[in-house]
Amino acid sequence: DVKVTQSSRYLVKRTGEKVFLECVQDMDHENMFWYRQDPGLGLRLIYFSYDVKMKEKGDIPEGYSVSREKKERFSLILESASTNQTSMYLCASSLGLISGANVLTFGAGSRLTVL
Amino acid sequence: QQPVQSPQAVILREGEDAVINCSSSKALYSVHWYRQKHGEAPVFLMILLKGGEQKGHEKISASFNEKKQQSSLYLTASQLSYSGTYFCGTEDTRATNKLIFGTGTLLAVQP
Repeated sequence: DVKVTQSSRYLVKRTGEKVFLECVQDMDHENMFWYRQDPGLGLRLIYFSYDVKMKEKGDIPEGYSVSREKKERFSLILESASTNQTSMYLCASSLGLISGANVLTFGAGSRLTVL
Repeated sequence: QQPVQSPQAVILREGEDAVINCSSSKALYSVHWYRQKHGEAPVFLMILLKGGEQKGHEKISASFNEKKQQSSLYLTASQLSYSGTYFCGTEDTRATNKLIFGTGTLLAVQP
């Protein structure tokens, strides 16, 4: 089974701090994604990546950046955390077939609280 | 733009049936369905492709009306284990592998 591991389950940061959320997948998947989950808003796509060093903006990229230096690792960066970025962050990966049949495997999530 | 799911929440007794709907304003290439149990990661249930067949497993099945840009998830004879939040994820006709999820439907099955 594909495993998607998010390094931190819970983080508490102060406003203005730089925050790194790390995600690693172990099955050689091409695609990786970062979603944000908030009550009543569902899962909203922040950024995704089809390949190493490649990234594309999702629906809510403002205030975030990403890094994918290695195929298995996709990092979400909050350059200057703000209280409205308090949320659950979910990383996901998929195989990369251009067929519309990509199944997402999600990590367990990282709950970030910004004070 | 996020697809719209309805209802937002539903409470069932064991053995009852439920339908969850997902509607998009865009033409779709595929629709995915995922279930998230409380405190856990979303888990894939099924995918429906444009021009493809209806999918299903056990007592959970789904349909995809491409013309109406809608999908429905059918849960038959619900079990306690069906409780959770159900999300549809839609992929537009460019088949970009990018999934846009709906706001979710909370399903609670009671004994």
